[in-house]
Amino acid sequence: SQKIEQNSEALNIQEGKTATLTCNYTNYSPAYLQWYRQDPGRGPVFLLLIRENEKEKRKERLKVTFDTTLKQSLFHITASQPADSATYLCALKGGNNRLAFGKGNQVVVIP
Amino acid sequence: GAGVSQSPSNKVTEKGKDVELRCDPISGHTALYWYRQSLGQGLEFLIYFQGNSAPDKSGLPSDRFSAERTGGSVSTLTIQRTQQEDSAVYLCASSLGAGGLTDTQYFGPGTRLTVL
Repeated sequence: SQKIEQNSEALNIQEGKTATLTCNYTNYSPAYLQWYRQDPGRGPVFLLLIRENEKEKRKERLKVTFDTTLKQSLFHITASQPADSATYLCALKGGNNRLAFGKGNQVVVIP
Repeated sequence: GAGVSQSPSNKVTEKGKDVELRCDPISGHTALYWYRQSLGQGLEFLIYFQGNSAPDKSGLPSDRFSAERTGGSVSTLTIQRTQQEDSAVYLCASSLGAGGLTDTQYFGPGTRLTVL
């Protein structure tokens, strides 16, 4: 069956350090992968899309990598700030032609 | 409107009653999704509409749940004979739905449903 796996344990990180989150998938052959941010009480908000032929994508302090051999994407927040505290979800399209989300990984940036 | 809107923002109902939740997607978006999210949990997919195709209802948890999308725009999620375990935030999202960046989903603020 198709699975998208993200770490269920919250990542606590000191302000200024780099936070790294992992998204692993099984039985998908995605042409692209997306990352979203969700704050408590709100719907997810799109951050970045990376295509299968792109190894790395950057947006401001965010960096995403995509390894289709390992079936894994890494999401990095550099120089993390308390305002980066949120839950981050990866998403990719399955054979049923709809976007599927991982359960998300919470990040807590400690001042 | 500029974004996805949902109404009501909060709904408190008694067990056994029916509820209707409304979603107004972004104009021109052909794809519309409903999700459920319980406190501290991930998004649970419920139903997906794409253009004029038959909806993907594979996520609906029971036959008490149904949804329709009229005129390719507004959608209503109906829960009949509500149970306490239906209490959650119900999120709607829409997208252009043609692949790649157009699959980016834009979420509404959600409806918080509480079944007493």
